[in-house]
Amino acid sequence: EPEVTQTPSHQVTQMGQEVILRCVPISNHLYFYWYRQILGQKVEFLVSFYNNEISEKSEIFDDQFSVERPDGSNFTLKIRSTKLEDSAMYFCASSVGWEGYEQYFGPGTRLTVT
Amino acid sequence: GNSVTQMEGPVTLSEEAFLTINCTYTATGYPSLFWYVQYPGEGLQLLLKATKADDKGSNKGFEATYRKETTSFHLEKGSVQVSDSAVYFCALTTNFGNEKLTFGTGTRLTIIP
Repeated sequence: EPEVTQTPSHQVTQMGQEVILRCVPISNHLYFYWYRQILGQKVEFLVSFYNNEISEKSEIFDDQFSVERPDGSNFTLKIRSTKLEDSAMYFCASSVGWEGYEQYFGPGTRLTVT
Repeated sequence: GNSVTQMEGPVTLSEEAFLTINCTYTATGYPSLFWYVQYPGEGLQLLLKATKADDKGSNKGFEATYRKETTSFHLEKGSVQVSDSAVYFCALTTNFGNEKLTFGTGTRLTIIP
């Protein structure tokens, strides 16, 4: 069964460093998402992406964040200058359609900023 | 705005016990409601959903009924198994053409033999 994959499973970085989290969505999916979960808190929406542009972003998704689909298979989340409060589990998701279609989630990348 | 409140965990039950995990919501518009499950080391998986009032979603012995009058979507299972041990997330979308999910905090369920 097709699945969403994410790499790395765990990333440790120092404050101020750039990180890129990678996701490979399911191949025929067209809509892509990033969510994050700070330990002990809710899973929060960050951004949705369709047709090579951002569809919607939350207030969390400030200028330090960017997303890209560089090669038609990968979907990346970049944080330019990490802060301690960026430490969280980051989930990628994809869906084949928009309204009413299930989002398929990856296993997550745990980002630890020291 | 939209929000989901679910039962604090962790929850520990014996095998074959009855399970209820409470979930209530507030939403602008008419939400669709979901339960997602996360098994250890895996991503979130859709467990069941309901898109209108009084609908019952069901899957793998789990059920939840969309109650508009109480703004609730409680998850139930009559007889849990060790393999049900996971984290359960209640979530909603509002059908304005953007399917971003609003999640609750998750409830960790552990079933002991």
